[in-house]
Amino acid sequence: KNEVEQSPQNLTAQEGEFITINCSYSVGISALHWLQQHPGGGIVSLFMLSSGKKKHGRLIATINIQEKHSSLHITASHPRDSAVYICAVGTGGGADGLTFGKGTHLIIQP
Amino acid sequence: GAVVSQHPSWVICKSGTSVKIECRSLDFQATTMFWYRQFPKQSLMLMATSNEGSKATYEQGVEKDKFLINHASLTLSTLTVTSAHPEDSSFYICSARGQRYNSPLHFGNGTRLTVT
Repeated sequence: KNEVEQSPQNLTAQEGEFITINCSYSVGISALHWLQQHPGGGIVSLFMLSSGKKKHGRLIATINIQEKHSSLHITASHPRDSAVYICAVGTGGGADGLTFGKGTHLIIQP
Repeated sequence: GAVVSQHPSWVICKSGTSVKIECRSLDFQATTMFWYRQFPKQSLMLMATSNEGSKATYEQGVEKDKFLINHASLTLSTLTVTSAHPEDSSFYICSARGQRYNSPLHFGNGTRLTVT
């Protein structure tokens, strides 16, 4: 079973700061997901990665398959970015369930 | 964009009763849907994989007779918590993806179940 480790567990930063959240996993994967969970519980899929780098607005996700490591970056952070960010990996085909990290609780202070 | 609708968003029920949670893909067909459970301050845990037209695949430790899953169509999967117990109080969330291998994953907004 894949072990997914995220760091840091908690992060508080000032508005405008550059944020990095890290994710490491133990077994080779088919895809890695970065998810955002707001206080109400709803989850939004931010990225699905199998290699390289993806960018969407102020969010950037990278993955290094050899090192089994991924990072999520937030540029020019804003209080509305405050949420729990979750890394999840899938090891099978398109119908595989995911293994989740415990999440990083991010607070951006104005 | 594609949306997964989950209903209800919260429910309170008495011990011993059953609760049904619905997960619908609104504008795409989902051959496979997934059900997860999240206890406070813990990560999501996969409970089962719901396959349209066939039996669900349950993760180890998840009682299939307690958590009944029905995936009767390509747009609807239901999770029924039978004979609910306070220990079943949790946040339940579903996800679905389209039929292509690299289709994006979409999550419902979750259901907060409280069993009294």
